[in-house]
Amino acid sequence: AQSVTQPDIHITVSEGASLELRCNYSYGATPYLFWYVQSPGQGLQLLLKYFSGDTLVQGIKGFEAEFKRSQSSFNLRKPSVHWSDAAEYFCAVPGNAGGTSYGKLTFGQGTILTVHP
Amino acid sequence: ETGVTQSPTHLIKTRGQQVTLRCSSQSGHNTVSWYQQALGQGPQFIFQYYREEENGRGNFPPRFSGLQFPNYSSELNVNALELDDSALYLCASRSPLDEQFFGPGTRLTVL
Repeated sequence: AQSVTQPDIHITVSEGASLELRCNYSYGATPYLFWYVQSPGQGLQLLLKYFSGDTLVQGIKGFEAEFKRSQSSFNLRKPSVHWSDAAEYFCAVPGNAGGTSYGKLTFGQGTILTVHP
Repeated sequence: ETGVTQSPTHLIKTRGQQVTLRCSSQSGHNTVSWYQQALGQGPQFIFQYYREEENGRGNFPPRFSGLQFPNYSSELNVNALELDDSALYLCASRSPLDEQFFGPGTRLTVL
């Protein structure tokens, strides 16, 4: 079954520092991959997605992610973190749901990002 | 702003009661999914509706049911509420590009 693992439960960085959040996937074929961000008490906002093609994907809010098939990873990066980036980040992979492809998203456990001033 | 709205924002129920949560998807998005997010966890897929029919279900019992309407709105119904049903319930509408856009969620507390 398709799955994603986020090894880091909680990461703390200083404002202005670089950020990398890890995501490892398990998938039988070339996956679609997503990163979502969730502010406290809010729904999820799509940051970026990888479908195919260029392995370096640009998203909103200055985030990017790189798909590495050899490492089964899709890590999220940002060169300079802002205090407003403090939130929880989820990596997700779609899977079949009752015969309709990509309807179901399987999420990782999430990584909580704390930003120190 | 995703264009996906949910109501109510918060809800408190007691064990054994029934609850209906509502979602309004983006126009043109024929697929809606519902997720349960327990505190400290990632969202878990409950089920998916496409053109008013359920066509995918996660590991949730039959007391979780849904409806989808032609006007892009949908409902999640939960019968015989249990304490463990306390969670944030999210609906998501899927674009033709296979992106899922989430609403802000309904926080359900079961006492």
